[in-house]
Parts: sequence; structure tokens; C-alpha cells
Amino acid sequence: SQQGEEDPQALSIQEGENATMNCSYKTSINNLQWYRQNSGRGLVHLILIRSNEREKHSGRLRVTLDTSKKSSSLLITASRAADTASYFCAMLRRGSTLGRLYFGRGTQLTVWP
Amino acid sequence: DGGITQSPKYLFRKEGQNVTLSCEQNLNHDAMYWYRQDPGQGLRLIYYSQIVNDFQKGDIAEGYSVSREKKESFPLTVTSAQKNPTAFYLCASSPYLAGAELDTQYFGPGTRLTVL
Repeated sequence: SQQGEEDPQALSIQEGENATMNCSYKTSINNLQWYRQNSGRGLVHLILIRSNEREKHSGRLRVTLDTSKKSSSLLITASRAADTASYFCAMLRRGSTLGRLYFGRGTQLTVWP
Repeated sequence: DGGITQSPKYLFRKEGQNVTLSCEQNLNHDAMYWYRQDPGQGLRLIYYSQIVNDFQKGDIAEGYSVSREKKESFPLTVTSAQKNPTAFYLCASSPYLAGAELDTQYFGPGTRLTVL
């Protein structure tokens, strides 16, 4: 079952603008991860934030986590046309003995040159 | 797509036929996973395996079967019992130590299965 919901479902921006995607979830988590998927390809891991962290940076990516609101956001700064892809959040649920990830439905980001 | 390969990239099946999708990894990962992705949807877990000769059903295992005879290989068979098999299938792997947290998953390029 899918435990995360991304918002918005689709986002269209111009190159150079910032893109913000949000993820809400229902259960307690150990960590939350963001993945990227180019059309027709496999997923690529972008960044992981643990439940005791509030913010994490990696290059042009910034992820925040608010466990009290059960939500996370992914910010891509100074976006490029090459950032066009679908972005998924995935949760490692607390108490999961098997390490399963639960994925959201994704946000389709289009960056126009 | 890391060190995970999936074959074939495209697969066409007639109704009533079983087909097997290949997944191989050279990352020395213990855990492997199969997901199904439908258009505009997220990933749904079909089967996963933490160790050789052991595997567990995911959320949508009906109509699918797997085997894990070797650490590097985790083939998925889509049987004729799967009512709507047309989808994009993704294989993934991750390092796994009993009792420890898994971190990230590494995905293959996917197999697109179409039932004619």
C-alpha cells in the first residue's frame, strides 16, 4: 500500500526557478528518502533524511522533515531542463523489521528552457 | 541504474502465457525487490527477498512468483493468473544486515511488459 502522497502531482516551471515538492505520510518513520525517475527509466536515489534530522542539503537539493506534521519537502534550487523527471518520496516505517520502503505517487516536474 | 541489469527491456506476452523477467545485480547486496509501476502511479511491492532461498510476498503478489537461488539473481515470473499484467516492472537491491536499518535502494532500468 502507498503510504505517502506527493503534492503537487505536476509542477511546471522555467529554468532558473526553484521547485518545491511536498510529501505527507501517515505512520511513524525511521527515515524518508527522495528518488528521481526519468521517463521510462529506473529510480535513482537522491537524498535520505533520518527521523531525528530536520534539514539536509546535497548540492542544489534541500530536504526538510517535520515529523510532528508527518511531512517532508524537497526543494530544487536554480532548476535546469535536465531536472525534468518524476520525483518520489519513500518511507522506511518505524518498526519495520524487513526494511521495506513505501513509495508515494510522485510529482511530475517539467522545467522549460 | 547502478550494477543492476534487467532483461528484456520490452516484453510482449499473449494472454494465458507465463513470462519470466530477469534481474541480476553485481553489488553484492543481500536484499532484492520487485515493484510494479502503472502509468502515473507510484511503486507497488510485489515480492522481496532478504537472503538467498528466502522471499516474502509484498502488497500485490497474486499472479506472480519468484525464486532466489543465487545472491545476484532474483527472477520474476508473471503467470497467467495475473489479470492485468501490462505494466512497468522495476527490480531493486539494497545492502542488508540482520537487525540493521536498510538505507537506499538501487534500481534497474526496468522491463515494460505488454499483454497482447
